Amino acid sequence: DAGVIQSPRHEVTEMGQEVTLRCKPISGHDYLFWYRQTMMRGLELLIYFNNNVPIDDSGMPEDRFSAKMPNASFSTLKIQPSEPRDSAVYFCASTDGPFNGYTFGSGTRLTVV
Amino acid sequence: AQSVTQLDSQVPVFEEAPVELRCNYSSSVSVYLFWYVQYPNQGLQLLLKYLSGSTLVKGINGFEAEFNKSQTSFHLRKPSVHISDTAEYFCAVENQGGSEKLVFGKGTKLTVNP
Repeated sequence: DAGVIQSPRHEVTEMGQEVTLRCKPISGHDYLFWYRQTMMRGLELLIYFNNNVPIDDSGMPEDRFSAKMPNASFSTLKIQPSEPRDSAVYFCASTDGPFNGYTFGSGTRLTVV
Repeated sequence: AQSVTQLDSQVPVFEEAPVELRCNYSSSVSVYLFWYVQYPNQGLQLLLKYLSGSTLVKGINGFEAEFNKSQTSFHLRKPSVHISDTAEYFCAVENQGGSEKLVFGKGTKLTVNP
């Protein structure tokens, strides 16, 4: 398996623009997580899905953020409109069960100018 | 809700020296515990995990960790580090029987100097 695949690896956008981050989990993993990593706040869980259904989105910072999982092999995290404070590394992770730990993607480094 | 405290934000050591990275957790229920490593510009990789049973857990790259329930700790150790161990290390906790989400500590940056 190729692991968890995220795209793009880097994204630079202007304030106010829409940004879409993409994730392909490992086949057979029915949990998918989106995390944000910053120096100030560390790793923050934004939202997670089980069997394509959002289970907990309490970490989504505000209405500008939305996430979808239309099928078992694809998820998106959208920010609209983007702001400079959204600059961070966004990670997607998947797992096939709570005992097994997560497999993380390589992340998307987002810079909003 | 559970929480994780990594007591040291940075740990510098010399090559071949032993190292201990400290982690304490707080939870009202039994937990699963994990250590992850993040190399520069990469995602996190699972080092080891404690689910139940023996309190001494061995992981990849010669690392091990000991679960201490009375002290609510899960410290990570390696008897002799290499330059290649330079990375950031994250401790994480998950409530047993609860949600499947991991709560991470803020990380410890390990720098191994020649």
